[in-house]
Amino acid sequence: DAGVIQSPRHEVTEMGQEVTLRCKPISGHNSLFWYRQTMMRGLELLIYFNNNVPIDDSGMPEDRFSAKMPNASFSTLKIQPSEPRDSAVYFCASSSTGFEPQHFGDGTRLSIL
Amino acid sequence: GENVEQHPSTLSVQEGDSAVIKCTYSDSASNYFPWYKQELGKRPQLIIDIRSNVGEKKDQRIAVTLNKTAKHFSLHITETQPEDSAVYFCAASIKEYGNKLVFGAGTILRVKS
Repeated sequence: DAGVIQSPRHEVTEMGQEVTLRCKPISGHNSLFWYRQTMMRGLELLIYFNNNVPIDDSGMPEDRFSAKMPNASFSTLKIQPSEPRDSAVYFCASSSTGFEPQHFGDGTRLSIL
Repeated sequence: GENVEQHPSTLSVQEGDSAVIKCTYSDSASNYFPWYKQELGKRPQLIIDIRSNVGEKKDQRIAVTLNKTAKHFSLHITETQPEDSAVYFCAASIKEYGNKLVFGAGTILRVKS
């Protein structure tokens, strides 16, 4: 049973570059969540989608961040332009509706130099 | 909005002893409470969850209790083992918000052998 798949696992890039993180949710799940994890701020919800529609993006830090879900099996989180303070681990998670738990991917460790 | 507080932030126990982590939530409409375990460099993994119509749930050495009146829930680990060492996160969600989870800040559990 394939879990949530994220790519890349690691990304190192220079300040100002565009970064695109990718996520494939578990087949059949209709909710998808993007989180950012840092030592200082813990696990923060950035945005989540239900049935491919963004429901709550209040956690997106600023306009440099954007997320899309063009279909039920794919989502992207984009940062443009990237800054050193964006360095963090970004997790994607998915779940079914109702009381089903969220299942996390292995995360993308992002370093902005 | 929902707010989840978690205590303690760090916990050290001797192997074989019990460990208890407590969380409080602010929104009485919260109805789903999962616990996640995160080992260093890995993704959060669900270890147990409880719904608001249940007061206690047990799975081998792990149990969760919920007090809806006081708006708090706790994770209990008995007969701790070194492999229980990890960061534990509690969370609360409101079904009407599409399973959006609000996470506690995490507890670092160290089991000393």
